[in-house]
Amino acid sequence: AQSVTQLGSHVSVSEGALVLLRCNYSSSVPPYLFWYVQYPNQGLQLLLKYTTGATLVKGINGFEAEFKKSETSFHLTKPSAHMSDAAEYFCAVSDRPSGNTPLVFGKGTRLSVIA
Amino acid sequence: DTGVSQNPRHKITKRGQNVTFRCDPISEHNRLYWYRQTLGQGPEFLTYFQNEAQLEKSRLLSDRFSAERPKGSFSTLEIQRTEQGDSAMYLCASSPDVGYGYTFGSGTRLTVV
Repeated sequence: AQSVTQLGSHVSVSEGALVLLRCNYSSSVPPYLFWYVQYPNQGLQLLLKYTTGATLVKGINGFEAEFKKSETSFHLTKPSAHMSDAAEYFCAVSDRPSGNTPLVFGKGTRLSVIA
Repeated sequence: DTGVSQNPRHKITKRGQNVTFRCDPISEHNRLYWYRQTLGQGPEFLTYFQNEAQLEKSRLLSDRFSAERPKGSFSTLEIQRTEQGDSAMYLCASSPDVGYGYTFGSGTRLTVV
């Protein structure tokens, strides 16, 4: 069975600083990996996804993530944090190649951005 | 297209009462999912539909939970004899059959008192 571990339940960065949110996965087959963002009292919004092909994936709002099979990681980065990036971020995995299917989510990382 | 709509946004109920939530997916999406999110946790899968067929149910979906999607359009999630442990955000999402990535609704927050 697949699983996701997000290291750090809370990350705090200064505005303009690098954002790094860590995600490690466990899957017995090639995984499909996702990052979602959740703003207060809202649903989740897809930031980016890795399915096949290029291991560096670019998403919305300047975020990107790199799939590293050898490290079983899919860390999310953004070069320069904005105040509007403050939110909860979730990494998720699916090991099924047949399109949209149930996902396994990590526990989330709350990102705070300090002015 | 107004996205995935969930109603009500908030529900407070007394322990032992039944509650029903509704989800209206994006009209062209064939797949519909229900997740539960408790405080400090990520969403946990409950069940999903392809059109009107319920394809999979999680072991989290006890006998007190039932979901339907008549005619493959909107879906309802009913919880019978609610317990305090049912207090959570219930999220609905929809997707096409192919491709990757869901569209989530804003959720229904259930509080059982």
